Amino acid sequence: QVQLLESGPGLVKPSETLSLTCTVSGGSLTGYYWSWIRQPPGKGLEWVGYMYYSGDINYTPSLKSRVTISVDTSKNQFSLKLSSVTAADTAVYYCARIPRLGQPRELTFDIWGQGTMVTVSS
Amino acid sequence: EIVLTQSPATLSLSPGERATLSCRASESVRSRYLAWFQQRPGQAPRLLIYGASNRATGIPDRFSGSGSGTDFTLTISRLEPEDFAVYYCQQYGTSPRTFGQGTKVEIK
Repeated sequence: QVQLLESGPGLVKPSETLSLTCTVSGGSLTGYYWSWIRQPPGKGLEWVGYMYYSGDINYTPSLKSRVTISVDTSKNQFSLKLSSVTAADTAVYYCARIPRLGQPRELTFDIWGQGTMVTVSS
Repeated sequence: EIVLTQSPATLSLSPGERATLSCRASESVRSRYLAWFQQRPGQAPRLLIYGASNRATGIPDRFSGSGSGTDFTLTISRLEPEDFAVYYCQQYGTSPRTFGQGTKVEIK
């Protein structure tokens, strides 16, 4: 069964770049979209962006100028970079899979990682 | 962007009771691309319902979804102890994908 696992620093300084990786096990990146979603402490969920394994990308407008999502099919991983972070970027960051149109559960976030907490503080 | 408003914010019920959660969209959700997620404390969200009314793999049949256009409902027919959690609706028909603010189902 497909599993996702986030990894990366738990503490990032203000104005620096947050970098996270999601490792996919039990399946391939091929044929799916791969996404990041975040959740500030005690708050709701916010979609950050997604990337198709072969390159199609879509980011949420409020973060578009600071976000980069990339996919490495050779390592079965995808990554998130968020630049110029502030305290408002403190959150649990989740990675998730999105089946493409025509696949079961098409276009939904059907499998999630456990999440990783990132705190922005000096 | 499409704003999703969930009501009520908190639902206080006893095990065995029926729960009805509402999700209203600021504009029509394309192709009924509306999902419901359950989030227990300290856990990642779990997909319950997609396409407004389709149960995801392994989801018990006490969970059901309905609705179209701008009004959607998640119903839990008889609450089990493990169902007390926060529930989010989410639309994926229009970019950016957006979530509702959540409904907490708590034990009365």
